[in-house]
Amino acid sequence: KAGVTQTPRYLIKTRGQQVTLSCSPISGHRSVSWYQQTPGQGLQFLFEYFSETQRNKGNFPGRFSGRQFSNSRSEMNVSTLELGDSALYLCASGTGNNEQFFGPGTRLTVL
Amino acid sequence: AQSVSQHNHHVILSEAASLELGCNYSYGGTVNLFWYVQYPGQHLQLLLKYFSGDPLVKGIKGFEAEFIKSKFSFNLRKPSVQWSDTAEYFCAVNAINQAGTALIFGKGTTLSVSS
Repeated sequence: KAGVTQTPRYLIKTRGQQVTLSCSPISGHRSVSWYQQTPGQGLQFLFEYFSETQRNKGNFPGRFSGRQFSNSRSEMNVSTLELGDSALYLCASGTGNNEQFFGPGTRLTVL
Repeated sequence: AQSVSQHNHHVILSEAASLELGCNYSYGGTVNLFWYVQYPGQHLQLLLKYFSGDPLVKGIKGFEAEFIKSKFSFNLRKPSVQWSDTAEYFCAVNAINQAGTALIFGKGTTLSVSS
C-alpha cells in the first residue's frame, strides 16, 4: 500500500499570503489529522477530519482551516501568514482505531 | 488539559548501552499510549503502542515500553542500542473518551548513539 503523501514538500511564502497544503491518506483510511512541528513547540495537533467532518480541533487561531473531500483527501489552509507559521506540517491518516500513519510533511517557510 | 512530558531532551549513549526514555502524561481518564520515532530525514514511524491488556508492550527493532497506570508513565526501553537507533523519539497520548484520535505529543528526546 502506498503511504501518506503530502504536497508540496517545500514551500516558501511571504507574510500576509495564504497557503494550501494537500494530503492524500493511505487507501481505505477515512481519518486525516494535521499537526504542526516546530523546534520550540514540538508537535501540536491542528485538527482531524473523518468522513468529511471535522471531528476535533486543536488550539490554533481561525487562520488555520481545513477540509476533507469525499475521497478522504484533505487540504489545510493558512491565511494571512505570519513568520511564526514557519514549520513542518504533518498529515496523518488512520482507520479510526487510534493508530495513525504519518506522511513526510510539508516544510513551510514564511519570509 | 492533557499534557505529556519527556524527561530527557538529549541522551548520548555508546553502542550496546541500555536505554530508558521517560514519559509521563497528565490525564485522569483512560488513554492510548504511543512511542513514535523520527530517523534523520525520515517520516515519523510508530515504534509501539498500548491500548489495553499486558502493560509491557513490545515494538519494532527490539524496543519495549511499560505502562504503569499508578505513575501515569510509559517509559521506553531497549537493552542494547545500536548506532542506527540514533533518532528523535516522541511519546504521545490519546484520550479515548474524546471525539477523534488527536495525539498529544511530548517535546521529544534526541538519542545519539556513538559507535
